[in-house]
Amino acid sequence: EAQVTQNPRYLITVTGKKLTVTCSQNMNHEYMSWYRQDPGLGLRQIYYSMNVEVTDKGDVPEGYKVSRKEKRNFPLILESPSPNQTSLYFCATQTGGGGNQPQHFGDGTRLSIL
Amino acid sequence: AQSVTQPDIHITVSEGASLELRCNYSYGATPYLFWYVQSPGQGLQLLLKYFSGDTLVQGIKGFEAEFKRSQSSFNLRKPSVHWSDAAEYFCAVAPYSSASKIIFGSGTRLSIRP
Repeated sequence: EAQVTQNPRYLITVTGKKLTVTCSQNMNHEYMSWYRQDPGLGLRQIYYSMNVEVTDKGDVPEGYKVSRKEKRNFPLILESPSPNQTSLYFCATQTGGGGNQPQHFGDGTRLSIL
Repeated sequence: AQSVTQPDIHITVSEGASLELRCNYSYGATPYLFWYVQSPGQGLQLLLKYFSGDTLVQGIKGFEAEFKRSQSSFNLRKPSVHWSDAAEYFCAVAPYSSASKIIFGSGTRLSIRP
């Protein structure tokens, strides 16, 4: 079964404590991305990756890091989380990198930064 | 600037009634158009997409959408809603060139009245 798996699904933590949200896919997709979803703002892209070792900033990259050492994994790293990063996060993947392909989403990770 | 507008934040319809969710976009050229649905606690799932050709496209779960170039619109419709259609719906646009340029609307939450 095609899957995009995010972990953890829920996390409550404190300001400044480094955390990593993992994303793994079993579809051999080249393109992976991270979004945050906030009420009234829809989904905003944080970072994306066209393939292994190829990453780039999206619309709201401040405070986040990513890496793409393997094709299947695309972790999102918050080195020093702050309360304004409290949000619902989604990892998405798609085949290729063109805009004509639909994206496949994980079930989301709800982060609360106190 | 490129944008996607979903003017209705929240819509309530009675079960069995028809539904239309609005989506307007501002883009330099005709983009690729998508509708996604997000059920509570889950990621986004593709309902349908439009690239070219017939301007009325059929999707899953009985949904359809009509592309109107003159109005820059891509409205989602369903003839008869079911209680299980209660969810949040997102319109998205992307250029052919790159998935990294995809823009999501702010979403419309659909509630179903018994």
